[in-house]
Amino acid sequence: AQKVTQAQTEISVVEKEDVTLDCVYETRDTTYYLFWYKQPPSGELVFLIRRNSFDEQNEISGRYSWNFQKSTSSFNFTITASQVVDSAVYFCALSEAGDNFNKFYFGSGTKLNVKP
Amino acid sequence: DAGITQSPRHKVTETGTPVTLRCHQTENHRYMYWYRQDPGHGLRLIHYSYGVKDTDKGEVSDGYSVSRSKTEDFLLTLESATSSQTSVYFCAISGPAGEQETQYFGPGTRLLVL
Repeated sequence: AQKVTQAQTEISVVEKEDVTLDCVYETRDTTYYLFWYKQPPSGELVFLIRRNSFDEQNEISGRYSWNFQKSTSSFNFTITASQVVDSAVYFCALSEAGDNFNKFYFGSGTKLNVKP
Repeated sequence: DAGITQSPRHKVTETGTPVTLRCHQTENHRYMYWYRQDPGHGLRLIHYSYGVKDTDKGEVSDGYSVSRSKTEDFLLTLESATSSQTSVYFCAISGPAGEQETQYFGPGTRLLVL
């Protein structure tokens, strides 16, 4: 069975602080994909990043960065110099490749509050 | 942004009435999904479709049925709505060929069953 754990239910930071959102996953497959989505207060789900299991390179996109470590089954998300607009619920997700690649397993989400 | 629309965006209905939610895509992508989102449960898959007339159940399919008669439309039906089906419903589509493992979500439908 697959499982995605986001142990941090809610995090509050002050603007300009750095914050890391943790994601730990479980899978027996060697080929899989990991994702992060953002759900702002308006409610839509916004795709942020996809990583496949063979690519452990960290990725940076502006103030966002992702650290994928297979050794610890983690795919953590860091926001540098946080802003109020970053306030949202962030979901980590796991998907298997192959016949079932279309099935996602979502974490329960981490609510990030960025205060001015 | 992926071209996904959901209708209606908000609906209030009474227990026992049938309800149909529509998901429409303009991307011509193969896979489509219906999820529900509830506090404490995150997103849970109801049904998905891997082509016209090809559908399968997700983890919370009881009380729901789906149909896909055209590539662009995926309908979710609550045959007899219950209060436990009050939720936010999201439709999603897969990415294009080569990126089909990614899912892109519609804006959501808020359903209240009284």
